[in-house]
Amino acid sequence: EIVLTQSPGTLSLSPGERATLSCRASQSVSSSYLAWYQQKPGQAPRLLIYGASSRATGIPDRFSGSGSGTDLTLTISRLEPEDFAVYYCQQYGSSLSFGQGTKLEIK
Amino acid sequence: QVQLQESGPGLVKPSETLSLICTVSGYFISSGYYWGWIRQPPGKGLEWIGSIYHSGSTYYNPSLKSRVTISVDTSKNQFSLKLASVTAADTAVYYCARYPTPWGQGTLVTVSS
Repeated sequence: EIVLTQSPGTLSLSPGERATLSCRASQSVSSSYLAWYQQKPGQAPRLLIYGASSRATGIPDRFSGSGSGTDLTLTISRLEPEDFAVYYCQQYGSSLSFGQGTKLEIK
Repeated sequence: QVQLQESGPGLVKPSETLSLICTVSGYFISSGYYWGWIRQPPGKGLEWIGSIYHSGSTYYNPSLKSRVTISVDTSKNQFSLKLASVTAADTAVYYCARYPTPWGQGTLVTVSS
């Protein structure tokens, strides 16, 4: 079972700042099956990034994903008010696992 | 456009079996991809329950494996979840999904007598 650990648990930033979220896997994972989601209260998670670095349809280019092997990063270049939410990393394939989430809050 | 919709009882009694159906539109399940179920207890993170491949092969979260059955009905373009012997700890929003997207809107299932 692959365990994903996200850091930090909470990130306090201001609009316009750059956000860097990390996700570490307990063992190497194929980049093809790494994803990031955004979740707002009362909503289903929304796919942002798949294949570690490909933006999903309709996702603004301020969101970018990078990394491979055991270390994955989501970067939001300039925070907009609507970006404050909880973010989850995920590895998927025949089995899945999620990180515990990073809450991005307004400072 | 691929869409998924969960359906089933919103209230289940302890020790009974939780049963949900996911109806897929805009894509045939038999055509490919992994499909499955994820849940989210109130105020907590996401937990994978299990997956089914278009061929019918199933994969389950080891922590739930003894209680979970996922099956597919290609004639109705649906797949289903059964979770046996539920307790209050199984109260959650249950999502069906095609991995990695799209997901259904989710359905809250409460376990209570």
